[in-house]
Amino acid sequence: NAGVTQTPKFQVLKTGQSMTLQCAQDMNHNSMYWYRQDPGMGLRLIYYSASEGTTDKGEVPNGYNVSRLNKREFSLRLESAAPSQTSVYFCASRWTLDQPQHFGDGTRLSIL
Amino acid sequence: KQEVTQIPAALSVPEGENLVLNCSFTDSAIYNLQWFRQDPGKGLTSLLLIQSSQREQTSGRLNASLDKSSGRSTLYIAASQPGDSATYLCAVIGNQFYFGTGTSLTVIP
Repeated sequence: NAGVTQTPKFQVLKTGQSMTLQCAQDMNHNSMYWYRQDPGMGLRLIYYSASEGTTDKGEVPNGYNVSRLNKREFSLRLESAAPSQTSVYFCASRWTLDQPQHFGDGTRLSIL
Repeated sequence: KQEVTQIPAALSVPEGENLVLNCSFTDSAIYNLQWFRQDPGKGLTSLLLIQSSQREQTSGRLNASLDKSSGRSTLYIAASQPGDSATYLCAVIGNQFYFGTGTSLTVIP
């Protein structure tokens, strides 16, 4: 049971570089989410996709773009990385709003 | 904007003790509330999901309650074990999704 798979697990970037974080789920879930987790801030929603073909902004979308490639995959792109985007990024999915969210193991991203 | 607070930020108890973790939220217009545990360097594992129409949910030694009118949820852990040591997070789901900053629990053998 793979669940939610995130790649890569770790990455170091230089300021201004671009990068795409990948997320795939094998549970046939409709909705997918990207969060960032920072010390003392808790998890904050960046973008979400309620269903294939739709995406919406969350609490902290600036500096990010997303693509819901198909039902399984939801990617997060940093076009020009900034040190403030150093964080742990989590992808999650769920079947419907009344079902639990399932999380990946995270991508630890450092931007120098 | 929904504000979610978890108190205490850290808790240390001896093995076998029963304990309660608290989660409070400012906007009662929620769809549901979910409790998670997070182990160091890992993702979140779902523990319990309470719908807005429910007052509590139970799973094994865990019991979560929800009082929408007062903006509170509690997670009760019975007969705590060292393996329960982790950070516990609550998430409030309304128009968007808001997490508390968590309670770090240490159960001392």
